[in-house]
Amino acid sequence: DAGVIQSPRHEVTEMGQEVTLRCKPISGHNSLFWYRQTMMRGLELLIYFNNNVPIDDSGMPEDRFSAKMPNASFSTLKIQPSEPRDSAVYFCASHPGGVEEKLFFGSGTQLSVL
Amino acid sequence: AQSVTQLGSHVSVSEGALVLLRCNYSSSVPPYLFWYVQYPNQGLQLLLKYTTGATLVKGINGFEAEFKKSETSFHLTKPSAHMSDAAEYFCAVSPGGYNKLIFGAGTRLAVHP
Repeated sequence: DAGVIQSPRHEVTEMGQEVTLRCKPISGHNSLFWYRQTMMRGLELLIYFNNNVPIDDSGMPEDRFSAKMPNASFSTLKIQPSEPRDSAVYFCASHPGGVEEKLFFGSGTQLSVL
Repeated sequence: AQSVTQLGSHVSVSEGALVLLRCNYSSSVPPYLFWYVQYPNQGLQLLLKYTTGATLVKGINGFEAEFKKSETSFHLTKPSAHMSDAAEYFCAVSPGGYNKLIFGAGTRLAVHP
């Protein structure tokens, strides 16, 4: 299995532009998580989905952020408009449910907003 | 609600020395506790976990952690550091289950010769 796949690996954009981050979870996993990692705040849970339905989006910082999961094999995290303070590494993780003991993380997207 | 505090954002040890990374948690229900490790340019990987039962848990690469309820702690240790242990380590808590995790801010471990 290829694991959780995130794209792009790096994204550099200018303030005000729309940014879309993509995630393909491991096939068969029914939960998907978006995390943001910054030096100041560490690793924060932004939103998570179960069976493609958003369960908890309380970590989404503001209305500029939105996430979708149109099907079991794809999710997006969109920032519109982007701001320099959004610069961070964004991780996607998936979980198969049941008694699996760990989250499976992607390699992350390094976002720089200039 | 759950939260995690990791004491020390950076820890530096000599190769062969004891590694001690500190984690304290807050949880309104019996917690599940985890340590994850992140190597440069990679996602997080599970190092070890505590759910129920034995309070001393062993993980990969010689690491272990002890759950101390009275101290609300779950410190990570390794008797002898290796250069390959240099990474960032995250303590995490969940209210039960292995998926929705609340992470601490992380501790970056440096190992020098």
